[in-house]
Amino acid sequence: DSGVTQTPKHLITATGQRVTLRCSPRSGDLSVYWYQQSLDQGLQFLIQYYNGEERAKGNILERFSAQQFPDLHSELNLSSLELGDSALYFCASSPTSGPFGEQYFGPGTRLTVT
Amino acid sequence: QQPVQSPQAVILREGEDAVINCSSSKALYSVHWYRQKHGEAPVFLMILLKGGEQKGHEKISASFNEKKQQSSLYLTASQLSYSGTYFCGTESGNQFYFGTGTSLTVIP
Repeated sequence: DSGVTQTPKHLITATGQRVTLRCSPRSGDLSVYWYQQSLDQGLQFLIQYYNGEERAKGNILERFSAQQFPDLHSELNLSSLELGDSALYFCASSPTSGPFGEQYFGPGTRLTVT
Repeated sequence: QQPVQSPQAVILREGEDAVINCSSSKALYSVHWYRQKHGEAPVFLMILLKGGEQKGHEKISASFNEKKQQSSLYLTASQLSYSGTYFCGTESGNQFYFGTGTSLTVIP
């Protein structure tokens, strides 16, 4: 158990819908990262927040957005969902202030778009 | 941009050694190594920083050749628990890329 929690564990929704994935980092970690893992594209970095501020942006679609709240939990919002958005979404947290320190991954949210 | 790992897959008997390579086309600031077991989240193994020393503990270690933008993960005297998919992660600019992955299976 990494100490990172993610909810929900599974999510099934229809194309065109909007969903919100939630992540709580390990106690004391200020950095939160979001990743997408799919069979065809592997593990892809989406976005990073540090203490509420966006720090780095990866291959995140415009339909996706994220934020980190004052209590440090983070949410990833996915809108206008397409079949290709079906994937495992991981959140990770890090104790380091640098851009990409050691990361501790949550159990993931499996999103299925039908 | 995605680092390329080799081999793609390897099968070992308990006690054998393995080397997993990670190669990037970009200048790297750091290289990370993670292991992911089937159905689970990736688990952090180690991070190597540019200008830093080779890292590791006992049976799992890694090196980072900054000039060649390459890293290698060394697993010695493998155990059944080492089975999983190994990913390198590379930090370049303000971006982070996971490698293509190497599936490692250790059999008795």
